[in-house]
Amino acid sequence: GESVGLHLPTLSVQEGDNSIINCAYSNSASDYFIWYKQESGKGPQFIIDIRSNMDKRQGQRVTVLLNKTVKHLSLQIAATQPGDSAVYFCAENRNNAGNMLTFGGGTRLMVKP
Amino acid sequence: DSGVTQTPKHLITATGQRVTLRCSPRSGDLSVYWYQQSLDQGLQFLIQYYNGEERAKGNILERFSAQQFPDLHSELNLSSLELGDSALYFCASSVGENSPLHFGNGTRLTVT
Repeated sequence: GESVGLHLPTLSVQEGDNSIINCAYSNSASDYFIWYKQESGKGPQFIIDIRSNMDKRQGQRVTVLLNKTVKHLSLQIAATQPGDSAVYFCAENRNNAGNMLTFGGGTRLMVKP
Repeated sequence: DSGVTQTPKHLITATGQRVTLRCSPRSGDLSVYWYQQSLDQGLQFLIQYYNGEERAKGNILERFSAQQFPDLHSELNLSSLELGDSALYFCASSVGENSPLHFGNGTRLTVT
């Protein structure tokens, strides 16, 4: 079936640098997207969301960009800190009944001190 | 802390057995979702309830069932357990549709 990025790549960045985590989605009918952070032993933690009528949304140190033309989502983390080390998942709501989110495979972010 | 509570944190059981996982959603959230996270499948949606009624179903096995009670807590029942059912089971809740899901810290199920 369709998926949102099944691979689990690893991104290694230096503390203080900016991080960019990418996600490709396949369903053009998806209208809501979310980024989650999952630390070891914990559940996914909501970071930021964006609806399909927007192309950019900013939070505290994080920015999500949505490019519907190429079905691409990215999460930018400014001034990456050791506490940002985790697995990051993008998820999409494929405009189904209910609020079922389809998750990608995740990206592991490692921050080097 | 997401406000979603899951019990137990860990569960070890044998093949063929049945277990019940429990979830209390965040205060005020009417929707409860169950997800399974395994190494080879990532986070897979199982089922959603909204105010006591089943709302959406994912790739949930027939051996698995769930319900949401009047006080909005939910239980996921897994029966005739197989080794492949070993995974993390997460519950999440949300206030409504197109709103973020807030996840609990999961139940780690090990089937031996």
